[in-house]
Amino acid sequence: DAGVTQSPTHLIKTRGQQVTLRCSPKSGHDTVSWYQQALGQGPQFIFQYYEEEERQRGNFPDRFSGHQFPNYSSELNVNALLLGDSALYLCASSFRTGSPNEKLFFGSGTQLSVL
Amino acid sequence: ILNVEQSPQSLHVQEGDSTNFTCSFPSSNFYALHWYRWETAKSPEALFVMTLNGDEKKKGRISATLNTKEGYSYLYIKGSQPEDSATYLCAPHRNKLTFGGGTRVLVKP
Repeated sequence: DAGVTQSPTHLIKTRGQQVTLRCSPKSGHDTVSWYQQALGQGPQFIFQYYEEEERQRGNFPDRFSGHQFPNYSSELNVNALLLGDSALYLCASSFRTGSPNEKLFFGSGTQLSVL
Repeated sequence: ILNVEQSPQSLHVQEGDSTNFTCSFPSSNFYALHWYRWETAKSPEALFVMTLNGDEKKKGRISATLNTKEGYSYLYIKGSQPEDSATYLCAPHRNKLTFGGGTRVLVKP
């Protein structure tokens, strides 16, 4: 049973560029959440997708957008990259949205460096 | 914005010793409290989900308690082993999970 997979594992971009990160949820999961973890901080919630729609959003600018596909996989897109976007981006999957008891299953993350 | 504080930020523990650390969060409109363990070069893994005031959960040598009225949770490690070295994250759930900054635990042989 494959867990949550993310690609790529590492990425180097320059300021102003655009980036797309990908996530495949754990088998049987239908909800995908994205988190940004900057150095020395806990993961910060970006947004959550369920039934191919953004259901919740954290305090991130519109440069951060996403998509969920019919097979439940998801993409995170960041436009006009800033140096401050350098971080580890984590994808987490779960079954059903909104249940406070649902554990999240995380991928290993994509380390994004913006130069 | 939900303010979640974990203390200490890091601690060193001698192998065999027991330790504990704290997660503090606003007690109002509380739904659940999650604990995750994040080992270096791995993915965060769920340890516990607790919902009721006074709840206690245990997994091997690790246990956690929850006080929803005052807004805190303790995580305990009994007889620490090197494999317990990790960052421990707590996250209260209102309409979404909000993570604290974590407590980084290093167990020295």
